[in-house]
Amino acid sequence: QKEVEQDPGPLSVPEGAIVSLNCTYSNSAFQYFMWYRQYSRKGPELLMYTYSSGNKEDGRFTAQVDKSSKYISLFIRDSQPSDSATYLCAMSPVELGRLYFGRGTQLTVWP
Amino acid sequence: ETGVTQTPRHLVMGMTNKKSLKCEQHLGHNAMYWYKQSAKKPLELMFVYSLEERVENNSVPSRFSPECPNSSHLFLHLHTLQPEDSALYLCASSRGGVNQPQHFGDGTRLSIL
Repeated sequence: QKEVEQDPGPLSVPEGAIVSLNCTYSNSAFQYFMWYRQYSRKGPELLMYTYSSGNKEDGRFTAQVDKSSKYISLFIRDSQPSDSATYLCAMSPVELGRLYFGRGTQLTVWP
Repeated sequence: ETGVTQTPRHLVMGMTNKKSLKCEQHLGHNAMYWYKQSAKKPLELMFVYSLEERVENNSVPSRFSPECPNSSHLFLHLHTLQPEDSALYLCASSRGGVNQPQHFGDGTRLSIL
């Protein structure tokens, strides 16, 4: 079983839609959860960073962590064509430098 | 310049060549990382340096040799690579301490002929 599972998509939605991106994981030791956005020909860019369970909101983006279900989500409200990218989830136990990534979900928002 | 800068952006080399990838961070971080990104696969952590000391070597073949001369610079020396080593190589940096978020460069796209 992979450490982190993420549906690679592709996911295609119209502008203005609410997008839901998800990852599941198997290691109950994971404590820190991140979402990265990667545009074509660019490196991953940190979007959201959360610790343990709960919600975190930043503008149009909301990250949710449900440790009991080993499930994390990223919601994008009022999606824009500029949100078209690959979204990577990443997580870590209490251990320096060790991030476990999902495969990434490719999102296209069409005008 | 700000952030994490990687050079070259693209590299094509034969299997017998020797080349080096360079990474420089301008964020004042003291931990640096090399990752390999292949199509349809999760990012694979290759090496971790903290305060210029290698703290993790993730079972990477010896044809990849990292070097961290100071906290701002990181190199990946390549020799006798195989076609399956063609990938995007990403450098990242973070502050010291547990689980500080990592900031990535734009990578070097490596193609092995």
